[in-house]
Amino acid sequence: DTAVSQTPKYLVTQMGNDKSIKCEQNLGHDTMYWYKQDSKKFLKIMFSYNNKELIINETVPNRFSPKSPDKAHLNLHINSLELGDSAVYFCASSQGTSGETQYFGPGTRLLVL
Amino acid sequence: GNSVTQMEGPVTLSEEAFLTINCTYTATGYPSLFWYVQYPGEGLQLLLKATKADDKGSNKGFEATYRKETTSFHLEKGSVQVSDSAVYFCALSGSYIPTFGRGTSLIVHP
Repeated sequence: DTAVSQTPKYLVTQMGNDKSIKCEQNLGHDTMYWYKQDSKKFLKIMFSYNNKELIINETVPNRFSPKSPDKAHLNLHINSLELGDSAVYFCASSQGTSGETQYFGPGTRLLVL
Repeated sequence: GNSVTQMEGPVTLSEEAFLTINCTYTATGYPSLFWYVQYPGEGLQLLLKATKADDKGSNKGFEATYRKETTSFHLEKGSVQVSDSAVYFCALSGSYIPTFGRGTSLIVHP
């Protein structure tokens, strides 16, 4: 059983397109996150939801919009894709918001041409 | 704000060598400290953690001790294997915003 799953695993698209990445966790956790990892492996937190409420919204272009339909799902929609959006996007979850271990998905490799 | 600083890589070692990856942090309050490992093409996974000062986390031969006086959480392993080749991230989590170091790539040669 996959604890945190993401779809798609790979995404190749043209500049200007709109795309979505989906994430699901079956751990019963209350908190979910989106991270962006660049080519140098630097990991940057983008958003976090706790019980479907947005609690972290770091400095991210408003072309990125997260949506959490329920506690087990957190999706990321990206409008008007740019070359600089090419990266690996990771979803993660944790039981709470303070000091807990995070469980990461396998990542979505986005390439914008 | 909180921050984590870890040594830059890559760290290149021969099999059975001793490993140290340094990690220091700045934080308010009393965060939990973590080491995560990322194997090629995969997501991060927890390697070990410590939740309070002087706690030692350990797993798969790796160890790290939460040192409040030096604000450090250095990762060590006595004898590395080729299969330990990966990127290692030091991280802290206190209130709400988890903070990660920039990652240290470890390459172990046979």
